[in-house]
Amino acid sequence: QKEVEQNSGPLSVPEGAIASLNCTYSDRGSQSFFWYRQYSGKSPELIMSIYSNGDKEDGRFTAQLNKASQYVSLLIRDSQPSDSATYLCAVIGPGATNKLIFGTGTLLAVQP
Amino acid sequence: DAGITQSPRHKVTETGTPVTLRCHQTENHRYMYWYRQDPGHGLRLIHYSYGVKDTDKGEVSDGYSVSRSKTEDFLLTLESATSSQTSVYFCAIRMTSETYEQYFGPGTRLTVT
Repeated sequence: QKEVEQNSGPLSVPEGAIASLNCTYSDRGSQSFFWYRQYSGKSPELIMSIYSNGDKEDGRFTAQLNKASQYVSLLIRDSQPSDSATYLCAVIGPGATNKLIFGTGTLLAVQP
Repeated sequence: DAGITQSPRHKVTETGTPVTLRCHQTENHRYMYWYRQDPGHGLRLIHYSYGVKDTDKGEVSDGYSVSRSKTEDFLLTLESATSSQTSVYFCAIRMTSETYEQYFGPGTRLTVT
């Protein structure tokens, strides 16, 4: 079992819709969770971090964490074509604060 | 890109040659990281540094060495490049000791022929 799993997609949503991106992780003791956005040919860009159960909102982005289910998600409201990118979920496990474990990413395509 | 520069940005080299990639930051961040990104594998940690001359191995360190003789530079060396080391290499920094967010540089695309 991979440590961090994401559906590779592509996830296709119409412009203006809500995009929902999901991630599961295997280490129950994981403490810190991150979402990165990566445009083709570019470097990953941190868009959200979340450390405790519940929701965290930042503009059009909401990260949701459920540690009991070992599940973290990213919602993008009012999706725009410029949101089309690969979204990477990353996790820091217990006792390994320098080791960020990435999923392989979900490709999001927002259709105009 | 968090004040990080990487050089070179693109390199083509032959199997068996040594290659050094440079990561440079201007803001005295203590923690620096090297990752490689490959299709189907995502980003994987190669080595990281938690201070001058303090380094440790990551998930995929075989065939790589690193050095950090000053705060601003973190060098990644492929002692004898192999085709399996063809990849995109990213440097990252962690801005504080209290939080764990990492910020990435622009990347180096390395091709080993």
